[in-house]
Amino acid sequence: DIQMTQSPSSLSASVGDRVTITCRASHTIDTYLQWYQQKAGKAPRLLIYGASTLQRGVPSRFSGSGSGTEFTLTITSLQPEDFATYFCQQSYSSPPAPSFGGGTKVEI
Amino acid sequence: QVTLRESGPALVKPTQTLALTCTFSGFSLSTSGVSVGWVRQSPGKALEWLALIDGDDNEFYNSSLRTRLTVSKDTSKNQVVLKMTNMDPVDTGTYYCARISGYELMDAFDIWGQGTMVTVSS
Repeated sequence: DIQMTQSPSSLSASVGDRVTITCRASHTIDTYLQWYQQKAGKAPRLLIYGASTLQRGVPSRFSGSGSGTEFTLTITSLQPEDFATYFCQQSYSSPPAPSFGGGTKVEI
Repeated sequence: QVTLRESGPALVKPTQTLALTCTFSGFSLSTSGVSVGWVRQSPGKALEWLALIDGDDNEFYNSSLRTRLTVSKDTSKNQVVLKMTNMDPVDTGTYYCARISGYELMDAFDIWGQGTMVTVSS
């Protein structure tokens, strides 16, 4: 099974800050990497798929990069509504065995 | 509009079998590249994938829970059912179903249900 490791597990930031979250895969996953945002008490929301493609309706201050085993999610100019927990997820495994990272909580 | 909604018991006793139903609309599970998956989240913890089923009735399970899980579908009712046997208090959490879209979206969980909270307690 492919293990996904996120860092940091939490971070404190201010409105307007640039935030970077890292996700590492235990094996190469090409660009089969997604990022999700989850607010308290809500279901996750897909932000980015294929490591760098923004899902429709997601603000352009979110961006993703990386391939192979190391990936990053960047939020430029953090907004109040961006305070949430972010998860990465790989979909490379065949047969399918998706796995998620441990999450990064972005706090004020 | 694509929607998914989970339903099932909020409380189950240890050793019982949990049965959850995901009722969806706005898409067909017969569409190539589309599947429905289940993900759970213990309070304050990470997301854990449980199982998924595609339009060809192919079933895939989390290897660590495989012996306890069964996923099935009723295409005519637009429903996917997850059964988990021998429930334990550590299985307490929120259970989500989600659409998984392949091809361009590279098997991303692109639409999620609101989740249903399940507590395991005697």
